[in-house]
Amino acid sequence: LAKTTQPISMDSYEGQEVNITCSHNNIATNDYITWYQQFPSQGPRFIIQGYKTKVTNEVASLFIPADRKSSTLSLPRVSLSDTAVYYCLVAPGVNFNKFYFGSGTKLNVKP
Amino acid sequence: DGGITQSPKYLFRKEGQNVTLSCEQNLNHDAMYWYRQDPGQGLRLIYYSQIVNDFQKGDIAEGYSVSREKKESFPLTVTSAQKNPTAFYLCASNRGTVLAKNIQYFGAGTRLSVL
Repeated sequence: LAKTTQPISMDSYEGQEVNITCSHNNIATNDYITWYQQFPSQGPRFIIQGYKTKVTNEVASLFIPADRKSSTLSLPRVSLSDTAVYYCLVAPGVNFNKFYFGSGTKLNVKP
Repeated sequence: DGGITQSPKYLFRKEGQNVTLSCEQNLNHDAMYWYRQDPGQGLRLIYYSQIVNDFQKGDIAEGYSVSREKKESFPLTVTSAQKNPTAFYLCASNRGTVLAKNIQYFGAGTRLSVL
């Protein structure tokens, strides 16, 4: 099971781009990288998932280098409503159930 | 609307009492999960179930029990053996197929406190 390491917290200002990096040195060949967002007193929600290179959706971009030992979640032009905890998970795409969420990164967006 | 419904939103337990947290999903997902979250911490896996009538212990199963009699339902019982039950409990599900890539969908959570 590949464990992940993320910064405990980050501060940003509205309108800035935020990059949150996750280290996963023991990632396996069949592992995918998935990011979730959690607001206080709510369940986490899926943001983005990738296997290699770059993935972009309407919310974020995910950059994965060739060695896949780290990944970077990029949030363009953050707003106050992006203040949340962001979790990076590494797990196989199928037939796996023991997900490790860790403590995540607390992003605080200031006005 | 498709999704996962957890109830109640808030629950209070007396000493020595068992309480049951409800989790229902209408997403037709095979796999369901229960997590516990303590303040400022990440999620820890309590139990999970890949199919009906089958479930497995997670990392912190002691003091908890589950059942999976229907695909849509995965209730969690917090027994009197769980000495520190105060936490935020989250239920999740995923489709468990290649296309789903193990993306989990979460309910809104139940906050359990001890009286």
